[in-house]
Amino acid sequence: EPEVTQTPSHQVTQMGQEVILRCVPISNHLYFYWYRQILGQKVEFLVSFYNNEISEKSEIFDDQFSVERPDGSNFTLKIRSTKLEDSAMYFCASSGMINTGELFFGEGSRLTVL
Amino acid sequence: AQSVTQLDSQVPVFEEAPVELRCNYSSSVSVYLFWYVQYPNQGLQLLLKYLSGSTLVKGINGFEAEFNKSQTSFHLRKPSVHISDTAEYFCAVINTGGFKTIFGAGTRLFVKA
Repeated sequence: EPEVTQTPSHQVTQMGQEVILRCVPISNHLYFYWYRQILGQKVEFLVSFYNNEISEKSEIFDDQFSVERPDGSNFTLKIRSTKLEDSAMYFCASSGMINTGELFFGEGSRLTVL
Repeated sequence: AQSVTQLDSQVPVFEEAPVELRCNYSSSVSVYLFWYVQYPNQGLQLLLKYLSGSTLVKGINGFEAEFNKSQTSFHLRKPSVHISDTAEYFCAVINTGGFKTIFGAGTRLFVKA
């Protein structure tokens, strides 16, 4: 069964460093998303991406964040200068050819900022 | 903007008992509704979805949910739970034509032997 894959599974970084989280969505999907979940808290929307541009973003997704689909298969989330409060589980998700909001999630990348 | 409220943060229940996890939503336009399950240290997995048609939808693992437009609710039910159903359950909503699925705060279902 096709699945969304994310790397790395866990990354530890120093405050102020840049981090790139990578995702390979399901191959025929057209809509891509990043969510984050701070430990024990709710799943928060960060950004959605369609047709090579951001469709919608949340207040969390400020200038420190960016997304890219560099090669038609990977979908990346970059945090330019990490802060302690960026520590969270980051989930990539993709959705099929029709935008119903049904999301297929990866296993997540745990980011720890020291 | 849409929003989701899950009325119970934790629901303890004995094995083989029925369970209902409550979800209410708010939106000024029509919506699609979902329930996802998250097992420890894993991603979210779709349990079931309401897009249109019958208001009673059935999902995986014996779960079902009923869309009630007048009460803006989408409660999740299972007639007999198993220990393996212990997990976090998230209700989610998206405005039709929108690009942002919003999740509730989650309900931790704890099934006791």
